[in-house]
Amino acid sequence: DQQVKQNSPSLSVQEGRISILNCDYTNSMFDYFLWYKKYPAEGPTFLISISSIKDKNEDGRFTVFLNKSAKHLSLHIVPSQPGDSAVYFCAAAPERNEKLTFGTGTRLTIIP
Amino acid sequence: DAGITQSPRHKVTETGTPVTLRCHQTENHRYMYWYRQDPGHGLRLIHYSYGVKDTDKGEVSDGYSVSRSKTEDFLLTLESATSSQTSVYFCAITIDRQAFFGQGTRLTVV
Repeated sequence: DQQVKQNSPSLSVQEGRISILNCDYTNSMFDYFLWYKKYPAEGPTFLISISSIKDKNEDGRFTVFLNKSAKHLSLHIVPSQPGDSAVYFCAAAPERNEKLTFGTGTRLTIIP
Repeated sequence: DAGITQSPRHKVTETGTPVTLRCHQTENHRYMYWYRQDPGHGLRLIHYSYGVKDTDKGEVSDGYSVSRSKTEDFLLTLESATSSQTSVYFCAITIDRQAFFGQGTRLTVV
């Protein structure tokens, strides 16, 4: 039972355009959401997070949107750069719990 | 950098042999985790620990055991390795629900 789903295994975007990565979840107990970026042969690194009391969080070129009623979050990267090419994982944690559940990942390729 | 070191970084082992992977952290973090990464499955939790001698199973714990006798070390053991355990294994700690990962161990079972 996959509680966090990323339905697009891969995405290609032209450099300079917007990249939109999507994530859906089923567990209504999740109240904290994160995005991680992973390069080959490295561990995932934290990108941005959002609490369920918000519907948007921005950090430079990265914005995360949360739609609680739809149990959906998305990561927007604008403008996309070649260094953004990586695998992106969304993750979620339940209330008062440190244990993260991760999605299946989306491989983003930025085309120069 | 949360001071997480995994060893070994690469290992090839034969089916049926026991294997132990080590995760070492230097900053006294309470929560530690073992994940495996596989194509199409993302990162799946194997076992986790909330303190010394306090461990619990994750979603894919069959065939794995863990031990945490010291705060700084979290060991993952494959009792009898199988080809389905060929994977990349990541250790992580969490601080305020943000995970920090080690560099990973690539394990191949032949």
